[in-house]
Amino acid sequence: QVQLQESGPGLVKPSETLSLTCAVSGYSISSGYYWGWIRQPPGKGLAWIGNIYHTGDTYYNPSLKSRVTISVDTSKNQFSLKLSSVTAADTAMYYCASTQGSYWPFDYWGQGTLVTVSS
Amino acid sequence: QTVVTQEPSFSVSPGGTVTLTCGLSSGSVSTTYYPSWYQQTPGQAPRTLIYSTNTRSSGVPDRFSGSILGNKAALTIRGAQTDDESDYYCVLYMGAGIVVFGGGTRLTVL
Repeated sequence: QVQLQESGPGLVKPSETLSLTCAVSGYSISSGYYWGWIRQPPGKGLAWIGNIYHTGDTYYNPSLKSRVTISVDTSKNQFSLKLSSVTAADTAMYYCASTQGSYWPFDYWGQGTLVTVSS
Repeated sequence: QTVVTQEPSFSVSPGGTVTLTCGLSSGSVSTTYYPSWYQQTPGQAPRTLIYSTNTRSSGVPDRFSGSILGNKAALTIRGAQTDDESDYYCVLYMGAGIVVFGGGTRLTVL
């Protein structure tokens, strides 16, 4: 059973960079699968941020592409999200998830981590 | 940018049937968008119900079904139960590795 666990600061100052990590257990990232990030502002809907393949190929939401970097660390079996120049609009629950491919569903999800952008 | 549209809210009586839809701000949804549907209850991560238009995810009861109706993807719930009261999201694959979530539908069962 694949398990994902997000970690990172719960509070980030405006204009700084949000950094989160998703630790994967029960499956080796280097074996395949795509690994993604999805966020949900309080009281609002889900929004896809981006995916990464174990080879390092990345796919980003066009509206966030200029600020987002997703990377994978196969030695630690984890992948990461960096979102730069954050504002209050980036306050959200951030989920990491896995999928067999871009048009496949996200089948395993982390529990989510709330990130608040505030000074 | 293409917007994926869903009804903001819907209501169904217990035991009734409801169809939620997923459209595009421009154009028609077809199977080539590989529509999927997620259910989310408060405080929980989403759960996959349907993928590739009409394939039920493991463990999903057969009273949930997916289809293409006209120019939209559709999620039909038959024999609605109080446990079905949730937010439902569709996701469409836009190509080039890009996916887009719809705004979600809040379903009330009463």
